[in-house]
Amino acid sequence: DVKVTQSSRYLVKRTGEKVFLECVQDMDHENMFWYRQDPGLGLRLIYFSYDVKMKEKGDIPEGYSVSREKKERFSLILESASTNQTSMYLCASSLAMARAYEQYFGPGTRLTVT
Amino acid sequence: GQSLEQPSEVTAVEGAIVQINCTYQTSGFYGLSWYQQHDGGAPTFLSYNALDGLEETGRFSSFLSRSDSYGYLLLQELQMKDSASYFCAAPLGGYNKLIFGAGTRLAVHP
Repeated sequence: DVKVTQSSRYLVKRTGEKVFLECVQDMDHENMFWYRQDPGLGLRLIYFSYDVKMKEKGDIPEGYSVSREKKERFSLILESASTNQTSMYLCASSLAMARAYEQYFGPGTRLTVT
Repeated sequence: GQSLEQPSEVTAVEGAIVQINCTYQTSGFYGLSWYQQHDGGAPTFLSYNALDGLEETGRFSSFLSRSDSYGYLLLQELQMKDSASYFCAAPLGGYNKLIFGAGTRLAVHP
């Protein structure tokens, strides 16, 4: 079974802090993704990566950056957290470029910015 | 723009059949995925339709009609544990990423 883990289930940060969310997958998947999930809006893609050190912007990249130094690890960085970044953050992975339709998700990190 | 539309809520009784619809408007359409998410849980992959027609996996089936830009998820013999949110999603951008619908919350009652 694919396992995707995220560093924290719950996180509370102050406005202006730099926030790191870590994601690790154990199945040698090529693609990794970061989403945020808000009520009534579904899952919105922030960034994704199809290879080590490669990244592409998703639909809502503003205020975020990412890092993928190793194949199994994909980090989401909030450079200066703001209250409108309070959300559920979900990491996912997929086997390869042509298999993005089948993604495996981590348990999520509920981030509150005060 | 690119979007997937699905009803926000559906209610059904245990043992019944329910259909969750999804209409899409995307460029470069490749197929339609379905995901299930229980409250507090992670989305889990259910199915993917690359071709028109019905795909059956146990109690769940998924259908796609490209000519109508429409698909649906059919859940049979509903059980209480099927109460969850269901998302349709479509691959975009050369098959590299997914766009999701806003989700349909299914409530199964005894």
